[in-house]
Amino acid sequence: EVQLVESGGGLVQPGRSLRLSCAASGFTFDDYAMHWVRQAPGKGLEWVSSLSWNSGYIDYADSVKGRFTISRDNAKNSLYLQMNSLRAEDTALYYCAKGHGSQHSGYMDVWGKGTTVTVSS
Amino acid sequence: SYVLTQPPSVSVAPGKTARITCGGNNIGSKSVHWYQQKPGQAPVLVIYYDSDRPSGIPERFSGSNSGNTATLTISRVEAGDEADYYCQVWDGTSDHLFGGGTKLTVL
Repeated sequence: EVQLVESGGGLVQPGRSLRLSCAASGFTFDDYAMHWVRQAPGKGLEWVSSLSWNSGYIDYADSVKGRFTISRDNAKNSLYLQMNSLRAEDTALYYCAKGHGSQHSGYMDVWGKGTTVTVSS
Repeated sequence: SYVLTQPPSVSVAPGKTARITCGGNNIGSKSVHWYQQKPGQAPVLVIYYDSDRPSGIPERFSGSNSGNTATLTISRVEAGDEADYYCQVWDGTSDHLFGGGTKLTVL
């Protein structure tokens, strides 16, 4: 069974950092692009970042560019999101999602249950 | 930047057909994907590449895309279809973009 399990969320003060992880299982992790998508409380889905199977392509939403860093460790079947200089508007449920192919484009065919990040003093 | 516009809500009686639209400039030239999100759950892909269904998604779910509007159609709506629905495109300029979401209410 394909499974994605996010971790690392929590309560953090504005300006501080947090690192999210996503553990993948049930598929050949290094064959697929991966994504982070977030959802603020009561709001819609917002794409955050994507990277291709070999990290050759990486991109970010303008709202997080320069503050967040996406990465993957194919040997550990894991995806990461390093979040620096956090702001109140970064408060959201963060989903890890599997891309349908090796490149960053297209759709997300499997989603984790998400990890909650709350930025507040 | 590219914008996807969805109606905030759609209501339909059980057994009827629900149509949820996703508007965008010349969206017919892009591939549109649809996700279903029930309360407290993660999104689930229900339609990809405009009209393809993943395995396990009922045939009652279908999609189309032409001109400036993509449409998710749910036939013979059931109470269990009540959820938020999001359209999504990959745009070479804006990368992944989601519509604002449509809340489907089954009356």
